[in-house]
Amino acid sequence: NAGVTQTPKFQVLKTGQSMTLQCAQDMNHEYMSWYRQDPGMGLRLIHYSVGAGITDQGEVPNGYNVSRSTTEDFPLRLLSAAPSQTSVYFCASTTIGAGGHTEAFFGQGTRLTVV
Amino acid sequence: KQEVTQIPAALSVPEGENLVLNCSFTDSAIYNLQWFRQDPGKGLTSLLLIQSSQREQTSGRLNASLDKSSGRSTLYIAASQPGDSATYLCAGGTSYGKLTFGQGTILTVHP
Repeated sequence: NAGVTQTPKFQVLKTGQSMTLQCAQDMNHEYMSWYRQDPGMGLRLIHYSVGAGITDQGEVPNGYNVSRSTTEDFPLRLLSAAPSQTSVYFCASTTIGAGGHTEAFFGQGTRLTVV
Repeated sequence: KQEVTQIPAALSVPEGENLVLNCSFTDSAIYNLQWFRQDPGKGLTSLLLIQSSQREQTSGRLNASLDKSSGRSTLYIAASQPGDSATYLCAGGTSYGKLTFGQGTILTVHP
């Protein structure tokens, strides 16, 4: 059982380049989300999805796009990378249990450096 | 807006000590409180999850409590070991599985 898989693990981009961070889960979870982790800032929510075809913005959405065409995949796109987007990115998949109880599971992260 | 604070920011203890990590949140309307462990350069591993209707959860040497009325959660680690050294994160859960994280407590357990 792979859980939440993020690719790539490491990436270096030049300012202005675009790229897509991949996230896939094999647990059939409806909820998925993207966070970025910066020193002194903790993890902050970028975008989230409550199911295929439905996405919404989190706390820090500027500069990022998402889509959710399938339950399994939730890619994060950087349209024009900026040094301020240098960070570690985590994808989470959340299960909905009895009574609406939720629990999040995280991928191993993507370390992105924008030069 | 939910804000989550963790105290202390860093903690260094000798092996064998019992210790308490603190987490406070400003909005008591959380759905759950989740504690994670993060090793350097790694992802987040879920340790304990307390639903809003629960008061505490236990797993091995770990015990987490939740007091929504006071906006506090604590993670108790019994008989600490060097292998417990890591960053511990707490996160308050709201609708749609969204989490608000504290900045973490860096724990070092020395032999």
